[in-house]
Amino acid sequence: NAGVTQTPKFQVLKTGQSMTLQCAQDMNHEYMSWYRQDPGMGLRLIHYSVGAGITDQGEVPNGYNVSRSTTEDFPLRLLSAAPSQTSVYFCASSYSRTRRNEQFFGPGTRLTVL
Amino acid sequence: AQKVTQAQTEISVVEKEDVTLDCVYETRDTTYYLFWYKQPPSGELVFLIRRNSFDEQNEISGRYSWNFQKSTSSFNFTITASQVVDSAVYFCALSESTSGTYKYIFGTGTRLKVLA
Repeated sequence: NAGVTQTPKFQVLKTGQSMTLQCAQDMNHEYMSWYRQDPGMGLRLIHYSVGAGITDQGEVPNGYNVSRSTTEDFPLRLLSAAPSQTSVYFCASSYSRTRRNEQFFGPGTRLTVL
Repeated sequence: AQKVTQAQTEISVVEKEDVTLDCVYETRDTTYYLFWYKQPPSGELVFLIRRNSFDEQNEISGRYSWNFQKSTSSFNFTITASQVVDSAVYFCALSESTSGTYKYIFGTGTRLKVLA
C-alpha cells in the first residue's frame, strides 16, 4: 500500500493563479480531509468528505473547493491564489466515517503564493 | 464547541529527562475520541495513540505514557528518559462521534527540543 499520496510536494504560484492539489489513498478509507498548517496555528481543517459524493466545509474553507468523485481521490482546488494561502497542506484519510479511527496523513504540499 | 488547548508552545529538556506535554480539551459530547500525533523535523505526521471517552485507564508504551482525566478534561503525554530522536512537534486532537459534524480538531502543538 502506498498509503496517502499528495502531489506536488512543492509549488509556487502567483497571486490570482489557480491550481489543484492532488490527494489519493489506496486503503479504501471512507473519510478524507484537507488541513493547512501555519506557524503557531496547528492544523486547521479546510474541507472533509465522509464518502464519494459527500463533502463539507471545515474551519477555513474560503478560497478552496473540493470534490470526491471516487473513494480514492480527494483533490483540493485553489480558485484564485492569494498570499494568505501560503502554507503547508496535508491530506488525511481515516477508515470510518464515524471518526473513531486515527487519521493517516500524506507527506504534505508546501505552497508559496507570491 | 470543540476546542483543544496545548498551552506549552515549546519545551526544551536535556536528554534523559522526563517531560510531560499538556493537552486540555472542551466538548459537550459524552462520546468523543482523543489522539496524539508526532511531527518530526522531516514533516510527516505520525499517529501515536487514540483514547475514547469511556476508557480512563492510563496507557504505557515503552518510554511513552498517557494520562487521561475526564474530571479535568486533560489528556497529557509523558516521555520518560527523553532522547534526541523525540525532538518533534506533538499535536493533541479531539474528535466527536455523536454531533454529526464529522470533524477532528487539533491543538496548536508543542515543540519539544531534546538537547544532547
